[in-house]
Amino acid sequence: DIQMTQSPSSLSASVGDRVTITCRASQSISSHLNWYRQKPGKAPKLLIYAAASLQSGVPSRFSGSGSGTDFTLTISSLQPEDFATYHCQQSYSSPWTFGQGTKVEIK
Amino acid sequence: EVQLVDSGGGLVQPGGSLRLSCAASGFTFSSSAMNWVRQAPGKGLEWVSAITDSGGATYYADSVKGRFTISRDNSKNTLYLHMNSLRVEDTAVYYCAKVTTGYGTTFYDYWGQGTLVIVSS
Repeated sequence: DIQMTQSPSSLSASVGDRVTITCRASQSISSHLNWYRQKPGKAPKLLIYAAASLQSGVPSRFSGSGSGTDFTLTISSLQPEDFATYHCQQSYSSPWTFGQGTKVEIK
Repeated sequence: EVQLVDSGGGLVQPGGSLRLSCAASGFTFSSSAMNWVRQAPGKGLEWVSAITDSGGATYYADSVKGRFTISRDNSKNTLYLHMNSLRVEDTAVYYCAKVTTGYGTTFYDYWGQGTLVIVSS
């Protein structure tokens, strides 16, 4: 199975901050990398697919980059609703696997 | 509007059984592959099972193979997860998720709200 490792596991930030989260795959997954945001007690919501494509309806402050084994999710200006947990997920090979999550907390 | 409504969770003893359901609306259910994904308390997301649009092929995580069965009724727009021989480590929120393909990859574009399964004596 492909292992996905996110860093950091948690971070503290303020509204308006630029935030970057990294996801590393244990082997090359090309661009088969998706990002989700999960608010407490809620289901995950798709933000980015294919490493860099913004899902319809998702604000442009979210962006993704990377290919191969190293990927990044960037939030250009953190908003109150962005305090949540972020998950990366590979869909290159079965079983699809997720990172352990990155919790973004209020500083 | 796409909606996925998960139900069927509850408290069950180890060794027991449960059937989860996911009622779909707002899209052509019979044209979409569907998955179940779970999240143990305070943990990350774990893929559990997948089924193709027709139901002709199914796939399982090693951790549930032989105990769980995924199925669908396209006439009722409903996805199921039959869970047998439940273990304490199966305790989790279970989400159904719709699979979509785009830009040459696949991803979960919609999720149910989740249903909590607690396995405990």
